[in-house]
Amino acid sequence: EAQVTQNPRYLITVTGKKLTVTCSQNMNHEYMSWYRQDPGLGLRQIYYSMNVEVTDKGDVPEGYKVSRKEKRNFPLILESPSPNQTSLYFCASSLSQGRGRPYGYTFGSGTRLTVV
Amino acid sequence: LAKTTQPISMDSYEGQEVNITCSHNNIATNDYITWYQQFPSQGPRFIIQGYKTKVTNEVASLFIPADRKSSTLSLPRVSLSDTAVYYCLVGDARGRRALTFGSGTRLQVQP
Repeated sequence: EAQVTQNPRYLITVTGKKLTVTCSQNMNHEYMSWYRQDPGLGLRQIYYSMNVEVTDKGDVPEGYKVSRKEKRNFPLILESPSPNQTSLYFCASSLSQGRGRPYGYTFGSGTRLTVV
Repeated sequence: LAKTTQPISMDSYEGQEVNITCSHNNIATNDYITWYQQFPSQGPRFIIQGYKTKVTNEVASLFIPADRKSSTLSLPRVSLSDTAVYYCLVGDARGRRALTFGSGTRLQVQP
């Protein structure tokens, strides 16, 4: 089944303790992205990746890191989480956005992160 | 990026047709219009995408006038399970540009 898999689904952690949220897709998509969703603020893009070893900042990158060493994986790293990073996180992937039309995103099921 | 404006919420009843209009006055020549559906605590799901005129698939239709400054998502004969938030996005087809999600339209379908 074509899908984007995020882990974990739920995570409670303490301020300052480094964590990684994994994202993997099995559709051979070039483009991957991370979003966070907060009440009243909608979905905001954190980072995106056009392809392996190509990443760039989205609208709210502060406090996050990403890497794209393999095409299928795009982990989100919080080096020193803070309570304001408590949110619902979504990973998404699609075919390359540079082929003349933007392809639809496939989203993961989400990771609900709580930083205390 | 073209900004989109949608109604915050809409109410409907089962079996009715629902039309959600999105305004995107500064849409660019290469931009496509895409609609997503999101249920609580789930990732958005692609519904339909179009460039101009009309597009139809098994779940919805998308109407885009000639000036492309707006678009209308049409959901035929909605059911309770169509209660969700619907997002209209305008996507840059030339490169990476982030698809920016607006606030969306919260559709509530009543029995």
